Amino acid sequence: DTAVSQTPKYLVTQMGNDKSIKCEQNLGHDTMYWYKQDSKKFLKIMFSYNNKELIINETVPNRFSPKSPDKAHLNLHINSLELGDSAVYFCASEGRYNEQFFGPGTRLTVL
Amino acid sequence: AQSVTQPDIHITVSEGASLELRCNYSYGATPYLFWYVQSPGQGLQLLLKYFSGDTLVQGIKGFEAEFKRSQSSFNLRKPSVHWSDAAEYFCAVGGNTGKLIFGQGTTLQVKP
Repeated sequence: DTAVSQTPKYLVTQMGNDKSIKCEQNLGHDTMYWYKQDSKKFLKIMFSYNNKELIINETVPNRFSPKSPDKAHLNLHINSLELGDSAVYFCASEGRYNEQFFGPGTRLTVL
Repeated sequence: AQSVTQPDIHITVSEGASLELRCNYSYGATPYLFWYVQSPGQGLQLLLKYFSGDTLVQGIKGFEAEFKRSQSSFNLRKPSVHWSDAAEYFCAVGGNTGKLIFGQGTTLQVKP
């Protein structure tokens, strides 16, 4: 069974469009994250949710809106996509000692 | 401020040779330390972690890391590298804040 899954794996879209990425974990963890990995492979935290509540928001533009319908799911919706949003987005689920388990990533390309 | 530095952006080793990837951190409290590996087009996989206790920790795929508080380091080692170890390696520091801070990554290339 996949511990942390994301859909879609690839997303190609035009500037100005709105898109969503879904994430699910079956590890029973309370805390989930979204990270952005840029073209230089640098990983930056975007959001964190604990049991459906937002606990970390790292100065991400408000075009990005996470939503957690339950503690096993954390989705990311992006409005008015810009070229600079092109990146790989990773969802992660946090274990007891801050270790994080990552999903396979969603490669977003904005044309 | 919390930070992680991986001084080596790119390392090339021959297959069968030993490997050491460096990681230095800055953290105000007792750190939790991690090494992750990312193969091309894949997500990050946890190799090993340190929370407390024995400063030499063993991980998956034959990797180990040693926590040296006096040097603020957590270097990753492997005695004999395999071609399949070629990947991007990330060191990360965290703690009770719940946030992980990642280093810039080290690209490992393995020569046949």
